[in-house]
Amino acid sequence: GAVVSQHPSWVICKSGTSVKIECRSLDFQATTMFWYRQFPKQSLMLMATSNEGSKATYEQGVEKDKFLINHASLTLSTLTVTSAHPEDSSFYICSAKTSGGLLGYTFGSGTRLTVV
Amino acid sequence: AQKITQTQPGMFVQEKEAVTLDCTYDTSDPSYGLFWYKQPSSGEMIFLIYQGSYDQQNATEGRYSLNFQKARKSANLVISASQLGDSAMYFCAMREVTDSSYKLIFGSGTRLLVRP
Repeated sequence: GAVVSQHPSWVICKSGTSVKIECRSLDFQATTMFWYRQFPKQSLMLMATSNEGSKATYEQGVEKDKFLINHASLTLSTLTVTSAHPEDSSFYICSAKTSGGLLGYTFGSGTRLTVV
Repeated sequence: AQKITQTQPGMFVQEKEAVTLDCTYDTSDPSYGLFWYKQPSSGEMIFLIYQGSYDQQNATEGRYSLNFQKARKSANLVISASQLGDSAMYFCAMREVTDSSYKLIFGSGTRLLVRP
């Protein structure tokens, strides 16, 4: 089945630095990738939708200059948290739409980001 | 705007018994899809079951079934013969067909604990 490989699975970074999270579709072409953020014991909140070759669409309240999304190829989408602060510590997870129908969302395994 | 509501933050169930997790939704789109996902402590999102708004029968997948009541806008997940491994967070999600972004919106989740 469709697999999305997400790396790193966890990362600790210093405040003020940038962190890049990668999601790679291994056996299919991911034309659309969704990026979610999940705080402890809370739901997945959609941050942005990225389509290959075009600019990402950000949800209301998400800072596009802080959370840079690149979807330069059909198999790779990246989320860069720029100038990270402790409040950016969270679980980030990507999801690729895998088919033209209603079904077919494949999730990455998530990245736990801790900013110290 | 769409909305997903899960009113049970936490549920207990005895091993081998059945449990129902509630989900209600709100949408003005006549065509939509409803999903249930399981999220164990590892963070991965595991797809459980899907129901389309025009599906005539309730969806079933092994021990999972979806009690779809369209008029009441509810899509409750029923887990039969609970197992210890069912202890996890469960999320209900919806996608509106007319939304060309294909984004999934999640409810707040229900934490299920199966007692031995």
